[in-house]
Amino acid sequence: QQPVQSPQAVILREGEDAVINCSSSKALYSVHWYRQKHGEAPVFLMILLKGGEQKGHEKISASFNEKKQQSSLYLTASQLSYSGTYFCGTESPSTSNSGYALNFGKGTSLLVTP
Amino acid sequence: DTGVSQDPRHKITKRGQNVTFRCDPISEHNRLYWYRQTLGQGPEFLTYFQNEAQLEKSRLLSDRFSAERPKGSFSTLEIQRTEQGDSAMYLCASSRGQGSGGYTFGSGTRLTVV
Repeated sequence: QQPVQSPQAVILREGEDAVINCSSSKALYSVHWYRQKHGEAPVFLMILLKGGEQKGHEKISASFNEKKQQSSLYLTASQLSYSGTYFCGTESPSTSNSGYALNFGKGTSLLVTP
Repeated sequence: DTGVSQDPRHKITKRGQNVTFRCDPISEHNRLYWYRQTLGQGPEFLTYFQNEAQLEKSRLLSDRFSAERPKGSFSTLEIQRTEQGDSAMYLCASSRGQGSGGYTFGSGTRLTVV
């Protein structure tokens, strides 16, 4: 089942902060975050495997609350290069228990302006 | 590491024709995924392989779609009797396995059915 992302779109000025949320109705094994620029393929940012885990990637970090089945992506002191669409991908056991594949949210469009 | 390669980059076909796309994953990656993406949406899961075994296929996927990964190397996705609703970007991704890292996506094949 597709995770739900919020907000749908964000416009920031360079240097401002943003939070993107991702929630699932299913138990999660992991949460991935990707950024996709227009006309390009999604690029992997980070994976969170454990409840309460936080990770950082430059000025981009994320948290994962396993009990609430939620993850948040934090962008601090945003740069022009952060513009793009951010997707969370959630990994849950398939009903056939034969493996795992990511279900992606609809994305959050982020625009950073000078 | 040459990345994930997809061929062709663009395909225009008439409704009712069959089309086949190819994906060459990163050689060290044993998992290969096919996704479909339309404008303004996140990638939609189609199917995935671990080595040569097709472990999961989306229940929403029509029987007109079939995928193979002979010998666990490259993969092909075939769409038979194409319909206008099949027009989308078809993305291939590969990974080492569950929890061991993110997906590396190819640049995709853009299919237009006229």
